[in-house]
Amino acid sequence: SYELTQPPSVSVSPGQTASITCSGDKLGDKYICWYQQKPGQSPVLVIYQVRKRPSGIPERFSGSKSGNTATLTISGTQAMDEADYYCQAWDSSTVLFGGGTKLTVL
Amino acid sequence: QVQLVESGGGLVKPGGSLRLSCAASGFTFSDYYMSWIRQAPGKGLEWVSYISSGSSYTNYADSVKGRFTISRDNAKNSLYLQMNSLRAEDTAIYYCARDGDATGYSHFDYWGQGTLVTVSS
Repeated sequence: SYELTQPPSVSVSPGQTASITCSGDKLGDKYICWYQQKPGQSPVLVIYQVRKRPSGIPERFSGSKSGNTATLTISGTQAMDEADYYCQAWDSSTVLFGGGTKLTVL
Repeated sequence: QVQLVESGGGLVKPGGSLRLSCAASGFTFSDYYMSWIRQAPGKGLEWVSYISSGSSYTNYADSVKGRFTISRDNAKNSLYLQMNSLRAEDTAIYYCARDGDATGYSHFDYWGQGTLVTVSS
């Protein structure tokens, strides 16, 4: 079955750049989106269609894709960005989520 | 503003049934595909099911196929999930979410606050 693979954890210092990857076969053919989820809260869409930002999402969040790997980049990471991040794509009329990456800002 | 409010969660015994509801407001509900997505305690997100705007198309995760049924009532701006033959592994917070593209198969731009389903004897 098709899977999206994310690193379980990423650490970053405040003000630095965090990169979270999402890889999967044939990812090059698919639109990827990213969600941020803080403890006890519902997920929030931060990037859709690989690189588009919904209104209200800070410019420091950006997305990209190269081959079978998509990347969520957070520039000038702030303490408030500490959260779990999930990538998501569609495959054969089903929705796939990556396993999630816990971003720690320390 | 867009609002999605889930209800119907609770404690149910293995083998039991439960019906979740999601009340939508702030947008033209009948224009959008909708999905149910769940999250087991301490775990990641798992898509459960989607339904097209006019109910013509539905699909389910293999883990719930044959046990869960998604439906909607556009006149009542409501989404439903009928869950039968519940198992301990169905224990999770269940979110309803709107597909951000009216043609579906895109991203989830709005999520409800979730409703907790606990399956335990």
